[in-house]
Amino acid sequence: GAGVSQSPSNKVTEKGKDVELRCDPISGHTALYWYRQRLGQGLEFLIYFQGNSAPDKSGLPSDRFSAERTGESVSTLTIQRTQQEDSAVYLCASSLKALESTLHFGNGTRLTVT
Amino acid sequence: TQLLEQSPQFLSIQEGENLTVYCNSSSVFSSLQWYRQEPGEGPVLLVTVVTGGEVKKLKRLTFQFGDARKDSSLHITAAQPGDTGLYLCAGAGHGQNFVFGPGTRLSVLP
Repeated sequence: GAGVSQSPSNKVTEKGKDVELRCDPISGHTALYWYRQRLGQGLEFLIYFQGNSAPDKSGLPSDRFSAERTGESVSTLTIQRTQQEDSAVYLCASSLKALESTLHFGNGTRLTVT
Repeated sequence: TQLLEQSPQFLSIQEGENLTVYCNSSSVFSSLQWYRQEPGEGPVLLVTVVTGGEVKKLKRLTFQFGDARKDSSLHITAAQPGDTGLYLCAGAGHGQNFVFGPGTRLSVLP
């Protein structure tokens, strides 16, 4: 079956512009995660959705970052007024349920802020 | 805050050599996972360990979870160029998200 799909795969934007990143999880997966990976580094947790529960936003680095998820489907991560330090790969993952199953990752969106 | 440390940060070895990479924390995790990530792709799960002292083998890879469930190791026997990648450990703790370590970047030279 289809895996986690992220779009766009690459995004170059000017400093100060807003960007929207999209994640299509695996059908039936109730949990969805967003991570940020800076060049050569590990994964930094951003936000987590589980079913219809309130999302865990504890990893969002500033109020310029927000994310939404409609039910158990598509999620969008929005970064407003982008800064150069936002440049990174943004990875989305989904799992059948929280903490008890495998994280299935997409290939990420590489964001470059010039 | 639960943190995971990994060592070494970088490792470059010749094909056929053995190696061990480590994942350590001061926190207890209910389970720990190892992922491998190749350039341009997302991480892919290798194994999940749940029980303290557990040892799991996956072909030439041996994973061990510490007795206190605070640390883990990954041993690769007779490394091959296809083993090259970023090895990440991830712990499931008290929150509802996985905490990832910074990774060990392995390069196996032919």
